[in-house]
Amino acid sequence: GDSVTQMEGPVTLSEEAFLTINCTYTATGYPSLFWYVQYPGEGLQLLLKATKADDKGSNKGFEATYRKETTSFHLEKGSVQVSDSAVYFCALSRYESWGKLQFGAGTQVVVTP
Amino acid sequence: ETGVTQSPTHLIKTRGQQVTLRCSSQSGHNTVSWYQQALGQGPQFIFQYYREEENGRGNFPPRFSGLQFPNYSSELNVNALELDDSALYLCASSLGDRTGELFFGEGSRLTVL
Repeated sequence: GDSVTQMEGPVTLSEEAFLTINCTYTATGYPSLFWYVQYPGEGLQLLLKATKADDKGSNKGFEATYRKETTSFHLEKGSVQVSDSAVYFCALSRYESWGKLQFGAGTQVVVTP
Repeated sequence: ETGVTQSPTHLIKTRGQQVTLRCSSQSGHNTVSWYQQALGQGPQFIFQYYREEENGRGNFPPRFSGLQFPNYSSELNVNALELDDSALYLCASSLGDRTGELFFGEGSRLTVL
């Protein structure tokens, strides 16, 4: 079955540092890939997405590129802020079951001033 | 703010009891999905409703059931509660356009004692 694996946290960074969160997936065909973010006390919010190979999703300074050859969708941000402290989830979905997202376990990111 | 509202936000039940959780979807969305998020884990898909019919189910027993109403709001019912049912229950709505983009509510935190 489909699965998503992401790096374990917590990841602790200083403000303005570079952030990378690794995400790899196992799935047949061409799933859509997502990064969702969960701020403390809030629900999940879509951060960015990519629907086909080599697509780059971007939002709020975050980027991720859909790499079919390495089955990866790593999240990056060049300069993090304290407000980026949250839990980040990588997820995939299939066209034929679009409401079913397969999530990774989540990576907590803590940014210190 | 996604426009998806859930109630109640917190509740405590005892083992063997039954619980009903409610979700109002974002305006214009005809699809609702429910997820269970245990502490420290990624959300797990329970089921999805599309235009009042169940349209996909994850690996959850039949004591997890749901309903979608003509206004596309939804309920999640769990019978014979077990301790392991303690979790954050997330509702997500979407347009049913197969993009896989979901809009999540803030969740209902269920504690089973």
